[in-house]
Amino acid sequence: DTGVSQDPRHKITKRGQNVTFRCDPISEHNRLYWYRQTLGQGPEFLTYFQNEAQLEKSRLLSDRFSAERPKGSFSTLEIQRTEQGDSAMYLCASTPGGDLETQYFGPGTRLLVL
Amino acid sequence: GESVGLHLPTLSVQEGDNSIINCAYSNSASDYFIWYKQESGKGPQFIIDIRSNMDKRQGQRVTVLLNKTVKHLSLQIAATQPGDSAVYFCAENIRGYSTLTFGKGTMLLVSP
Repeated sequence: DTGVSQDPRHKITKRGQNVTFRCDPISEHNRLYWYRQTLGQGPEFLTYFQNEAQLEKSRLLSDRFSAERPKGSFSTLEIQRTEQGDSAMYLCASTPGGDLETQYFGPGTRLLVL
Repeated sequence: GESVGLHLPTLSVQEGDNSIINCAYSNSASDYFIWYKQESGKGPQFIIDIRSNMDKRQGQRVTVLLNKTVKHLSLQIAATQPGDSAVYFCAENIRGYSTLTFGKGTMLLVSP
């Protein structure tokens, strides 16, 4: 399968713990996006990368959220000191890197904070 | 018929019917529109896209119509099948901005 992959698919954690999610984009896709989706809503943009450069991060929900893409391939999204309100599906998408391109999504990581 | 559920508008159809899902988008500067299908527990799956210089585009069993005057997008699914049951989202993109803005979503339920 050469699509976007995400790991883990499910994560249950206790409030206050840190969690990290990984996304592997489609091979040779330069742009990688992170979204959050809560029940009954469409995905909400968080941040994106062009290769290893993070070009937009003002939409990250708080300073507890951070993302990296150190080598321009896979990316990680970390949430520190998780809160119950962080429970959601975290989606990753990728595109080759031009303008107005279709974003292809991974299966998502579902986070439950107890 | 169409009804508003607890979280999402819902469209219920019989297998074989044609389905029309509507979306009102927010930004008159949007240049590119995508319809996604999302099944329970999965990520959004690309269905069809259209650019703002077009008003209609057809795919396999699906057609997207764009009315820029009233900022309205629709997805038509011909001969709807039970496997089409999912939540459908429209998304808009503005040239020069890489982010997609998603609409609320419509749940399509197809009865055999």
